[in-house]
Amino acid sequence: DIQMTQSPASLSASLEEIVTITCQASQDIGNWLSWYQQKPGKSPQLLIYGATSLADGVPSRFSGSRSGTQYSLKISRLQVEDIGIYYCLQAYSAPYTFGAGTKLELK
Amino acid sequence: EVQLVESGGGLVQPGRSLKLSCAASGFTFSNYYMAWVRQAPKKGLEWVATISTSGSRTYYPDSVKGRFTISRDNAKSSLYLQMNSLKSEDTATYYCARRMYTTDYYYYFDYWGQGVMVTVSS
Repeated sequence: DIQMTQSPASLSASLEEIVTITCQASQDIGNWLSWYQQKPGKSPQLLIYGATSLADGVPSRFSGSRSGTQYSLKISRLQVEDIGIYYCLQAYSAPYTFGAGTKLELK
Repeated sequence: EVQLVESGGGLVQPGRSLKLSCAASGFTFSNYYMAWVRQAPKKGLEWVATISTSGSRTYYPDSVKGRFTISRDNAKSSLYLQMNSLKSEDTATYYCARRMYTTDYYYYFDYWGQGVMVTVSS
């Protein structure tokens, strides 16, 4: 199975700050990587697909990048509504696997 | 507007069965692979099952293989998850999700339901 190592597990940041979350895949997964945001009591919502493509309706302050088997989600200027838990997902091969999540809080 | 609405959750004893349903609307259901993803209380997300457009192909992780069965009724735009031999570790919120893909066939889940809670306890 492909392991997705997500870091950090938690993150405290200030408004307008730049935030970066990473996922390291245990093997090559190409661009079969997507990012999701989950707010308390809500279902996950798609942010990024194909490693770098922004989902419809997602603010442009979110962006995704890839360097080899390391994937990053960047929030360029943190807003209050960005607070939540972020997950990466590899859908390269079954079993699909999620990262453990990053809990983003406001400092 | 795409909508996925799960139902059928509840409290069930270990070893018993439960069947979840997901009613889809706002898109041509038969054109999409569909999936179930679960989340144990205060835990992360776990993929549970995926089904092809026709229902002829299904995929599961080892944790549920042989106990869970995903199925669909394209005429009713409905997705199902039959869960047998339930264990306490199956306690979770279960989400129905639509699998989408890019022109390069990079898969992802673009729409999720609101989730349904399943509690396995005596």
